[in-house]
Amino acid sequence: EVQLLESGGGLVQPGGSARLSCIASGFTFSRHAMSWVRQAPGKGLEWVSVISGGGENMYHADSVKGRFTISRDNSKNTVYLQMNSLRAEDTAVFYCAKGAGYYNSWHDDWGQGTVVTVSS
Amino acid sequence: DIQMTQSPSSVSASVGDRVTITCRASQGISSWLAWYQQKPGKAPKLLIYGASSLQSGVPSRFSGSGSGTDFTLTISSLQPEDFATYYCQQADSFPQTFGGGTRVEIK
Repeated sequence: EVQLLESGGGLVQPGGSARLSCIASGFTFSRHAMSWVRQAPGKGLEWVSVISGGGENMYHADSVKGRFTISRDNSKNTVYLQMNSLRAEDTAVFYCAKGAGYYNSWHDDWGQGTVVTVSS
Repeated sequence: DIQMTQSPSSVSASVGDRVTITCRASQGISSWLAWYQQKPGKAPKLLIYGASSLQSGVPSRFSGSGSGTDFTLTISSLQPEDFATYYCQQADSFPQTFGGGTRVEIK
């Protein structure tokens, strides 16, 4: 059974930083892309970042480019999202999602989400 | 970026009804389309991938069709557990993009 467990959310001040983690189990981690998708309160889904199975390719949405960085440690079955220069509009539930393929694909498993609140 | 436009934004339906949701891409995406179901306070769940392939464990009353720019999700006979919000997503190119969502409500 695939399990994805996010952590690292919480209350952050505007301009601050946070690092989200997602520990995966139940599949061969290095063979699958991993993504972060967020959902602001009462809003729809917004794709944020993706990293390929081996970690050599990554892509970020324009809304977070230059502020967020996705990375992974395949020895620990963990994907990270380093978030800097946080803004109020980054307040959201952040989901970790497993890609069906190595890089660009749909998401066939999701974590339960971790809440990031950016506020003073 | 590829824009995904879903319609309607909400629909009221009764148990047993047939419900159809459409998704239009701003440019051709072949069959690189997925549909997700999300219930309040829960993570999204993959229903359909490749525009028309049913994800394992998903009831057969869900079906998807289309290619290129126009896609459809159909629920053939709405069940109580199907009341939720549905999203389409293109996986043709980065950045991946989601439709705005369709809320299926009880009539």
